[in-house]
Order: sequence, then structure tokens, then C-alpha cells
Amino acid sequence: KAGVTQTPRYLIKTRGQQVTLSCSPISGHRSVSWYQQTPGQGLQFLFEYFSETQRNKGNFPGRFSGRQFSNSRSEMNVSTLELGDSALYLCASSSEYTDTQYFGPGTRLTVL
Amino acid sequence: GENVEQHPSTLSVQEGDSAVIKCTYSDSASNYFPWYKQELGKGPQLIIDIRSNVGEKKDQRIAVTLNKTAKHFSLHITETQPEDSAVYFCAASHNTGNQFYFGTGTSLTVIP
Repeated sequence: KAGVTQTPRYLIKTRGQQVTLSCSPISGHRSVSWYQQTPGQGLQFLFEYFSETQRNKGNFPGRFSGRQFSNSRSEMNVSTLELGDSALYLCASSSEYTDTQYFGPGTRLTVL
Repeated sequence: GENVEQHPSTLSVQEGDSAVIKCTYSDSASNYFPWYKQELGKGPQLIIDIRSNVGEKKDQRIAVTLNKTAKHFSLHITETQPEDSAVYFCAASHNTGNQFYFGTGTSLTVIP
């Protein structure tokens, strides 16, 4: 089975812009979670989607949003980018039968 | 919410020696505890996990122990090899919303 894929792998944006990141889960997995990883804050949960519905949300401002499509692929969007949004954004997928999460390689976002 | 603490932050061992990483959690409702290995430029890779109804689990050179009463769990790597060098993260989870709370990571260096 192919693993979790994320596109793009690297992004450079400037402050004030918006960005959309994409995640394709492992085939058959219906849950997709998003995390932000920074050296200072570590791995922090953004939100989780299951069957196109957001089931859980972390403590991030409303500039961070996401959605999930009927094929379980997910996107996250960050609007009005700030310098502090520079991070590795990771998505993880899991099946509906277990809470084991498998991570993708991440998207490295740099905000200038 | 859940708070996961991880120690040590860095660990250096000689090849062939054992390495132990410890985590504590605060929420007694947490019932799933995975460990991830993250190599440079890659996403976290699940290496072993344990659920709250089990006290110990082994997979070749890797073992995890869980003490629910004390709310701590540990990763044990025996006969370490240079390819074990990476950052290791513990995590705790307790709901179907798949929100993982991560420790701050341990950078393990195995010296040949």
C-alpha cells in the first residue's frame, strides 16, 4: 500500500499571502489529522477530519482551516500568513477501526 | 488537556548499548501510547505502540512499558545501531478524534 502523500513538499510564501496544502491518506483510511511541527512548540494538533466532517480541533486561530473530500483527501488552508507560521506541516491518516496514525513526509512552509 | 513530558531531550550511547526514553502523561483517560521515530527531512514513523490494557510490548530490539498508576511509559532500545540515530517522540491519546499529544522529543545519537 502506498503511504501518506503530501504536496507540495516545500513552499515559500510572503507575509499576508494564503496557502493550501494537500494530503492524500493511505488507501482505505477515512481519518486525516493535521499537525504543525516547529522547533519551539514541537508537534501540535491542528484538526482532524473523518468522512468530510471536522471531528476535533486544536488550539489554533481561525486563519487555519481545513476540509476533506469524499475520497478522503484533505486540504488545509492558512490565510494571512505570518512569519510564525513557518513550520513543517504534517498530516497523518488512520482507519476507522484503529487510532494508529501514519504520517506523511510533511510540507515545509517558509514565510518571508 | 493532556500534558506529555519526555526525558531526556538528548541522549548519546555507544553502539551496542541500550537506550531508554521516558514519558509521563497527566490525563488518566489516555489509553493509547505510540512512539515515533523521525529522521531528518522525513515525517514521524511509528515504531511501536501500546494500549492501556497492556503493561509491556516488544518488537525485536524495541520494547515499550506502561505504568498506568504512575502515568508513565518508556521506550527501550537494546543493542543500538548507528541507524537508530534520530529524534524519538512519545504521544498519548484518549479519544476517537485522533488528537495526539506529543512529547518534546529525544534526539538519540548512537556512536559507532
